[in-house]
Amino acid sequence: SQELEQSPQSLIVQEGKNLTINCTSSKTLYGLYWYKQKYGEGLIFLMMLQKGGEEKSHEKITAKLDEKKQQSSLHITASQPSHAGIYLCGARMPSYSGAGSYQLTFGKGTKLSVIP
Amino acid sequence: DGGITQSPKYLFRKEGQNVTLSCEQNLNHDAMYWYRQDPGQGLRLIYYSQIVNDFQKGDIAEGYSVSREKKESFPLTVTSAQKNPTAFYLCASSMGRRFTEAFFGQGTRLTVV
Repeated sequence: SQELEQSPQSLIVQEGKNLTINCTSSKTLYGLYWYKQKYGEGLIFLMMLQKGGEEKSHEKITAKLDEKKQQSSLHITASQPSHAGIYLCGARMPSYSGAGSYQLTFGKGTKLSVIP
Repeated sequence: DGGITQSPKYLFRKEGQNVTLSCEQNLNHDAMYWYRQDPGQGLRLIYYSQIVNDFQKGDIAEGYSVSREKKESFPLTVTSAQKNPTAFYLCASSMGRRFTEAFFGQGTRLTVV
């Protein structure tokens, strides 16, 4: 199966500290999503990246996609307790079923805890 | 309001029974997906559909079945052949061929006793 590797698996930071979560693929990514999830709930869309070198920011969260489109990072500045949750990267990858068909594959997630 | 709805939120079934999870969207999306989530496993793709009356197996399709008779609906049946069905199930939809945001439902937690 096509896989996305996320690191670290879990992260505990003090409130106010910066942090980075990474997402790596051995294959070229045709689109990269970042989502946040509270335990037992659905996924909240954060950002999506498509072009190599692309960078997007929303409030204190910045996501980047490298030039080769095989690695993405999510950076949180001055973390707050509201940032706690599970962060998932997802990628749009060509499926084996035919041309123009894509599937969405996700990493295992990074569990973020922010200590007040 | 447009969105994607999963029902029920919690579901309990006896071992050996088939059970169907509902997923409905009114976003006019072509593509729909089913994922299973277990602790520490992230989201694993069960089935996906790019268009009505067509669907493909994902990474863990064994013991599951789907149908896509209408654009709005993509129900998932967990059959008795699924050896470990207790999990959190998530449904998603997207435009399909265009790279746009994928929307997720709130999930169904299935417990088999």
